[in-house]
Amino acid sequence: DTGVSQNPRHKITKRGQNVTFRCDPISEHNRLYWYRQTLGQGPEFLTYFQNEAQLEKSRLLSDRFSAERPKGSFSTLEIQRTEQGDSAMYLCASSWVPGLTINEQFFGPGTRLTVL
Amino acid sequence: RKEVEQDPGPFNVPEGATVAFNCTYSNSASQSFFWYRQDCRKEPKLLMSVYSSGNEDGRFTAQLNRASQYISLLIRDSKLSDSATYLCVVPKGRAALIFGKGTTLSVSS
Repeated sequence: DTGVSQNPRHKITKRGQNVTFRCDPISEHNRLYWYRQTLGQGPEFLTYFQNEAQLEKSRLLSDRFSAERPKGSFSTLEIQRTEQGDSAMYLCASSWVPGLTINEQFFGPGTRLTVL
Repeated sequence: RKEVEQDPGPFNVPEGATVAFNCTYSNSASQSFFWYRQDCRKEPKLLMSVYSSGNEDGRFTAQLNRASQYISLLIRDSKLSDSATYLCVVPKGRAALIFGKGTTLSVSS
């Protein structure tokens, strides 16, 4: 399968615990994005990387959230001291962007987080 | 005005019907637009891109009205397999996609 993959697919944790999600983009894609989706809403942009550089962060990304893409390939999203309001589907997407073009973003299946 | 606004529906239509969804956006500088489709508990997938006045792909037609800042998606001859949530999407800045809440379509036999 050459699509975007995410692990784990489901995560249940207790409030206050830290969690980390991984995203493997389509191999030739230089951009990687993280979104969050709650029930009845469309995905909300969190952050994106061009290669290994994190170029934009939404104000939704509080200090408890951190994302990395150390070698410009896979990315991790960590949430520290989880809260019940963090319960959501976390979607990763990737795209190939030559320059400033907004191209199609391909989404992974998501990681569903439940904070008890 | 919200950045991207859609009628959430649901739209319940019989097979073969024609259905249209509308979407309004607030950023008059936006140049490109997208419709994504999301099946229940699945990831969003690109359905159509709209860069000028409109785009047509088989039974699907997207139209753009820049003066009124709205985008529409028309589905002709609805199939059961068209049942899904349709997300209106407007790029923001260089990378972020701003999604509407989505419009739910249910096609019945």
